[in-house]
Amino acid sequence: NAGVTQTPKFQVLKTGQSMTLQCAQDMNHNSMYWYRQDPGMGLRLIYYSASEGTTDKGEVPNGYNVSRLNKREFSLRLESAAPSQTSVYFCASSEAVPGIGSQYFGPGTRLLVL
Amino acid sequence: AQSVTQPDIHITVSEGASLELRCNYSYGATPYLFWYVQSPGQGLQLLLKYFSGDTLVQGIKGFEAEFKRSQSSFNLRKPSVHWSDAAEYFCAVGPNSGGSNYKLTFGKGTLLTVNP
Repeated sequence: NAGVTQTPKFQVLKTGQSMTLQCAQDMNHNSMYWYRQDPGMGLRLIYYSASEGTTDKGEVPNGYNVSRLNKREFSLRLESAAPSQTSVYFCASSEAVPGIGSQYFGPGTRLLVL
Repeated sequence: AQSVTQPDIHITVSEGASLELRCNYSYGATPYLFWYVQSPGQGLQLLLKYFSGDTLVQGIKGFEAEFKRSQSSFNLRKPSVHWSDAAEYFCAVGPNSGGSNYKLTFGKGTLLTVNP
């Protein structure tokens, strides 16, 4: 059981470049999430997917898009990267529908936008 | 809207000393409450959670937390800290209801330093 996996682990982009962050979980969870973590800001929710086929905006969705490819995979896309998107990105998944369950986190992707 | 406050940005304790990390939340009803720990360069690991029932919950690594409704608090405690407990700790709150609102709100974290 790998849990939640994320690729890549680290990425450097130039302003204006695009990239997709990949996330997969093997726990058969219905819900998946993308967060960003910045110093002194805690974790802020970018987008989430309550179940396969649905996605919703979180607290800081501007500049991002997501795709829930299937039950296992949830990707985050930066169409035109900006220095303000330099951050550590975490994917998470959770159990227990209905209502909220414990979230399990991946190891993170460290993104630097120059 | 739900919110979480962790009043202490950084705490330093000596190894073997007791620890209490504070968490206050704002929510209209009884929420789901969580504590996560993050070691440097790692993802977040769930320490413990409160959904209902006994207000004193036990977690992994010898941690416990107590839900106090009257104080809107969910403080994390450990009787004797080990050097390996040095990490950042996050409190989180989520809605205690069914439906489509699955979002957790995290506090900004408390960094724990352990002196030998």
